[in-house]
Amino acid sequence: DAMVIQNPRYQVTQFGKPVTLSCSQTLNHNVMYWYQQKSSQAPKLLFHYYDKDFNNEADTPDNFQSRRPNTSFCFLDIRSPGLGDAAMYLCATSRKKFADTQYFGPGTRLTVL
Amino acid sequence: SQKIEQNSEALNIQEGKTATLTCNYTNYSPAYLQWYRQDPGRGPVFLLLIRENEKEKRKERLKVTFDTTLKQSLFHITASQPADSATYLCALDDSGGGADGLTFGKGTHLIIQP
Repeated sequence: DAMVIQNPRYQVTQFGKPVTLSCSQTLNHNVMYWYQQKSSQAPKLLFHYYDKDFNNEADTPDNFQSRRPNTSFCFLDIRSPGLGDAAMYLCATSRKKFADTQYFGPGTRLTVL
Repeated sequence: SQKIEQNSEALNIQEGKTATLTCNYTNYSPAYLQWYRQDPGRGPVFLLLIRENEKEKRKERLKVTFDTTLKQSLFHITASQPADSATYLCALDDSGGGADGLTFGKGTHLIIQP
């Protein structure tokens, strides 16, 4: 029944050590999003894909990259994690870009040591 | 600058009463607004979407209003239950209809006391 799956649920990395978070979906949705959510804060959009078209938010640090090799999978790469990158990372999908429900995964909690 | 404000960090309501949560925004002209529920350590779950030309939307015990003049949405849970305890997030499209994702408020933590 799982529709948006994120792996791993918990990730621990060291300062500066690259890390990749993964997201997969069984909904066949066109749009996939990555959000960062820090404790008691709002989810913040990092970037999204509409099919293969990548859209980066203006204030997303260059340290964050994303790949979408096919419709079902999307990856978030953090090239050199800093302590400030510790957060919950949420993947979401929607069928359309506009006025549509977003379906979220359970999130990956990233800890940076 | 654009801002979304949701009322108070925690709202305590007695079971059976109506809980009313507020979302105010400035410097936006959203075409639609959404409400999500988020439980601790989980991703948000969609509840309701309301468009700018709709005044009110209902779904079971939930009701949302959208006043584009006041730049405010109200979210009501009637006959509240302890299971309704969660954080409720308001979200707006932030692209004037171009649709590049949602901007979320910080959320209101709702506690329903038995």
